[in-house]
Amino acid sequence: SAVISQKPSRDICQRGTSLTIQCQVDSQVTMMFWYRQQPGQSLTLIATANQGSEATYESGFVIDKFPISRPNLTFSTLTVSNMSPEDSSIYLCSAGQGDETQYFGPGTRLLVL
Amino acid sequence: AQSVAQPEDQVNVAEGNPLTVKCTYSVSGNPYLFWYVQYPNRGLQFLLKYITGDNLVKGSYGFEAEFNKSQTSFHLKKPSALVSDSALYFCAVRDMQAGGYQKVTFGTGTKLQVIP
Repeated sequence: SAVISQKPSRDICQRGTSLTIQCQVDSQVTMMFWYRQQPGQSLTLIATANQGSEATYESGFVIDKFPISRPNLTFSTLTVSNMSPEDSSIYLCSAGQGDETQYFGPGTRLLVL
Repeated sequence: AQSVAQPEDQVNVAEGNPLTVKCTYSVSGNPYLFWYVQYPNRGLQFLLKYITGDNLVKGSYGFEAEFNKSQTSFHLKKPSALVSDSALYFCAVRDMQAGGYQKVTFGTGTKLQVIP
């Protein structure tokens, strides 16, 4: 298994600003993912963070709004840019290994005013 | 395309009674199937998975799930529910034949409420 930490755990931001969320894994992993979740609801995949190349974004998500970095096999960041209240959500980082299981971080709760 | 359905938004069960949380799936080929649990204000925790082999899969915290290919189901079960099992449960599927990167589809979640 993998242990994943995220920073910050929560934040309150003003509209128009940007927030960078960090995700750290305690071991090298092949795949890292970023999800968005409204409280009590399902997960929506934002993008897959690829080491050494650009992230792969899902339909409805674009790099200008959600730039992602993956500088090595244990770390990734997601930036939520030019935020609006609609970006208020829980952002989850996950990591996948060869056994097909994804392990999740505790999440970042974002409130945009 | 792959999909997963959790037909019940909420399941209520008395403490000590058996519980079942339902999940059905649709994939083109053979599925990888997963169950995750999410406690309030926490991330998702992996419970168990089916990749291949025995249709009855045992996981964490006394949970198990049965893979039924003919009914395309993967229901989560526990013989005796605990109040501490109250949480949000997610079923997830990945098509084994899906190429490229590993994309998993999550269900809408089922809230399990165990009543003391």
